[in-house]
Amino acid sequence: AQKITQTQPGMFVQEKEAVTLDCTYDTSDQSYGLFWYKQPSSGEMIFLIYQGSYDEQNATEGRYSLNFQKARKSANLVISASQLGDSAMYFCAMREGRRGSSNTGKLIFGQGTTLQVKP
Amino acid sequence: NAGVTQTPKFQVLKTGQSMTLQCAQDMNHNSMYWYRQDPGMGLRLIYYSASEGTTDKGEVPNGYNVSRLNKREFSLRLESAAPSQTSVYFCASSHRWEVDYEQYFGPGTRLTVT
Repeated sequence: AQKITQTQPGMFVQEKEAVTLDCTYDTSDQSYGLFWYKQPSSGEMIFLIYQGSYDEQNATEGRYSLNFQKARKSANLVISASQLGDSAMYFCAMREGRRGSSNTGKLIFGQGTTLQVKP
Repeated sequence: NAGVTQTPKFQVLKTGQSMTLQCAQDMNHNSMYWYRQDPGMGLRLIYYSASEGTTDKGEVPNGYNVSRLNKREFSLRLESAAPSQTSVYFCASSHRWEVDYEQYFGPGTRLTVT
């Protein structure tokens, strides 16, 4: 069965430092997508970054990058130069299956990691 | 664009009462989803609608029903609420034809069943 595991319930990081949030996944599909979402204390879910299983380069979006290691089935989120506004819960998620008309886009979420940025 | 909207934002129900959570999106997305979020468990898929006219069960469908009223609207109904259904409910939508397939989430409904 497909599964996402985030082993760090909580993390602390000093402002302006980089931090890595771990995510491992389990799937038998050859084609899949990996997502990271941010949930601040206000509760909304904010999309951060996406990595496709066939993408050869690691995804980057501003201060966010995804360290994708396919053989190890890991998709860690790296936040560079942490800011106080980065304090939030972060979820790793996986879309099953190939993009296309038959794909329903269902996501499986990990348990989340709470990140606190210290001034 | 309002994106994904949900009503109500908060609701308190007594055990056995029924209610419908409303969700609408104005992004012309084909697929819509209902999730619940419980502490320490991430988000779990309740039901989804891959396209207008179709609905399917997700991971935790028991105690819920859904209706895809049209392309814009996807409602979630609790016929007889139970305390175990106390949770935060998120509606989401995605456009299958977009490059990244990310899901856009509504603001959530915080439901308490006493």
